[in-house]
Amino acid sequence: RKEVEQDPGPFNVPEGATVAFNCTYSNSASQSFFWYRQDCRKEPKLLMSVYSSGNEDGRFTAQLNRASQYISLLIRDSKLSDSATYLCVVSRSGYALNFGKGTSLLVTP
Amino acid sequence: GAVVSQHPSRVICKSGTSVKIECRSLDFQATTMFWYRQFPKQSLMLMATSNEGSKATYEQGVEKDKFLINHASLTLSTLTVTSAHPEDSSFYICSAGSHRDGYTFGSGTRLTVV
Repeated sequence: RKEVEQDPGPFNVPEGATVAFNCTYSNSASQSFFWYRQDCRKEPKLLMSVYSSGNEDGRFTAQLNRASQYISLLIRDSKLSDSATYLCVVSRSGYALNFGKGTSLLVTP
Repeated sequence: GAVVSQHPSRVICKSGTSVKIECRSLDFQATTMFWYRQFPKQSLMLMATSNEGSKATYEQGVEKDKFLINHASLTLSTLTVTSAHPEDSSFYICSAGSHRDGYTFGSGTRLTVV
C-alpha cells in the first residue's frame, strides 16, 4: 500500500465551481503535511502547508485530521488557471517527502 | 522563501555519454537535498538523498554507480547520469528545505538520450 493515496481524477469542473480533493496517509509518524501544485512538464510548487487546526489561503482551504490520517484541499470559485495536478505530500524529520500520485484538475470555461 | 536553482533545464545527449545536473540552494544552506525522477504521467519517484560531506543514500532499485551524487558543499549537489541510455530519458528534479517549512524544488532537468 502506498504511503500517500489520492484520487487521481481527473476532476473536470466549470469556472466558479467548488472542488474538493482528498488524501490519506498510512504512516502515523508523519509530522508535516503539504499540498503542492504541479503544472504540466514543470516542477512541483508549494501551494500551502496543512495544519491540524485547518488553514485558509484565499480561495484555498486545507484541513488535516490526524486521527483519520486524512488531508483535504478545497478550492472555491475555481479559475481556469487552477488547472493543474495537485499533490498531497507528507513528511517527517530526516526523511524525504512522500508524494501522492496527484489529482488532476481541469477547470473549463 | 527558499530558492533552489537547477541546471541545465534541458539536455539532449548521445547514448553512452554522461550528463551532470547541478542543484543549488541560493539563499540557505542545505545539508540534505533530494533527487527525484518523474516519467510522463507518473508521480515523482525519489532516487536518492544527497548528504553534504558524506555518501548519498539511494532508494532501492537505483544504481549508485550509474547515478553519481556529489554534495561537496552546503549549497550544491550534483547528479551525474553516467553512460546514459534512452531509458534514462526523464525529468530529474532536486529539492531542498525542511520538513517543517516545506521543500522547494529546482525547476527540473528534462533529459533526452538519443
